[in-house]
Amino acid sequence: AQSVTQLGSHVSVSEGALVLLRCNYSSSVPPYLFWYVQYPNQGLQLLLKYTSAATLVKGINGFEAEFKKSETSFHLTKPSAHMRDAAEYFCAVTFTGGGNKLTFGTGTQLKVEL
Amino acid sequence: DTGVSQNPRHKITKRGQNVTFRCDPISEHNRLYWYRQTLGQGPEFLTYFQNEAQLEKSRLLSDRFSAERPKGSFSTLEIQRTEQGDSAMYLCASSLDIGYTFGSGTRLTVV
Repeated sequence: AQSVTQLGSHVSVSEGALVLLRCNYSSSVPPYLFWYVQYPNQGLQLLLKYTSAATLVKGINGFEAEFKKSETSFHLTKPSAHMRDAAEYFCAVTFTGGGNKLTFGTGTQLKVEL
Repeated sequence: DTGVSQNPRHKITKRGQNVTFRCDPISEHNRLYWYRQTLGQGPEFLTYFQNEAQLEKSRLLSDRFSAERPKGSFSTLEIQRTEQGDSAMYLCASSLDIGYTFGSGTRLTVV
């Protein structure tokens, strides 16, 4: 079975500050990992994905994430937060042969303050 | 590529009524997925299709739920005899490879 744990259901940062959203995964086989963003009353938009190529993955809107097998982590970062980054962020995992079925974490609500 | 389209965006229904949602995937995507998302939670897998074949159904999908994808194009999700616990956002996604494109969802409120 596979799962992801997102530490911190709410994260608050100042505009211009570093954003760090944490995700740890559990998988008995090599995982594929994803970060999605969701704005209120919207579907989910893919930010970035790790599919066993480079461990440092760059995504849209200046976000990036690093796959660390030794720490079973896939934390999402952005050097400088912007007000428009305020949203809910979901980490998700799947694996080869899993039918591309995603297992999501419970989400982290990011608040950006002036 | 017009993205994944879901209709309706919002649905309010009385308990016990039947409802049907539609999803139009990205045309070249052969896989289509349905997820349910309740407040404060991540999406939970319900079912998926590869072309017209329904390959997997979650145990969350009780016998009141049925999904179809005739001819491997659009899909419908029907809930019969709705209950208040069915109130949620129903998300559709499609894919050709690893990772999905999601639609904007249908928010169901059962009163």
